[in-house]
Amino acid sequence: SAVISQKPSRDICQRGTSLTIQCQVDSQVTMMFWYRQQPGQSLTLIATANQGSEATYESGFVIDKFPISRPNLTFSTLTVSNMSPEDSSIYLCSVTPSDRSVSYNEQFFGPGTRLTVL
Amino acid sequence: KQEVTQIPAALSVPEGENLVLNCSFTDSAIYNLQWFRQDPGKGLTSLLLIQSSQREQTSGRLNASLDKSSGRSTLYIAASQPGDSATYLCAVSQYGNKLVFGAGTILRVKS
Repeated sequence: SAVISQKPSRDICQRGTSLTIQCQVDSQVTMMFWYRQQPGQSLTLIATANQGSEATYESGFVIDKFPISRPNLTFSTLTVSNMSPEDSSIYLCSVTPSDRSVSYNEQFFGPGTRLTVL
Repeated sequence: KQEVTQIPAALSVPEGENLVLNCSFTDSAIYNLQWFRQDPGKGLTSLLLIQSSQREQTSGRLNASLDKSSGRSTLYIAASQPGDSATYLCAVSQYGNKLVFGAGTILRVKS
């Protein structure tokens, strides 16, 4: 399995500001994803972070609000821009190892970043 | 659009009981199904992955089954312990390795 770390682990931010969340993996991985978990709800995929190209966003999520970078195979960032209280959530990155077939692409998750927007 | 449903939403059992958590999905075109555990305020821990061609997987006291044609999976926990208390999430993997999650089952095992 992959060891994933996220920074920061939690933050409290003011409305209208932006926060960048980092995801670091201890080995090269094929795919990295960003998910959001709103209070009391399950996880929703925000986007797939593509190495060397623009991220692929799911319906309801846009690049201007959630810009994503992936400069290499072990690191990605998610920025939550112009925050509002509705952005208060846990943000999680996940990865699939590079050495697995598609049907066995187990996903591993980071510890999450708990964001509170006042 | 894939939809994943988990039943029950919450479950409280005495220690030592065997229990079953249920997961159903609407689109059988999946690559695999994963069961996760989430402790309060924490990330997700992968428990079991069942490939679409498999019927079940076992790990210790956990056994997960998959009936892809009927869109169902169950997670069986034997001899439950207070340390098993957590939220259990099932997720199906589709094209692009995207996971679609159920809402979860909150499990409480009483000592």
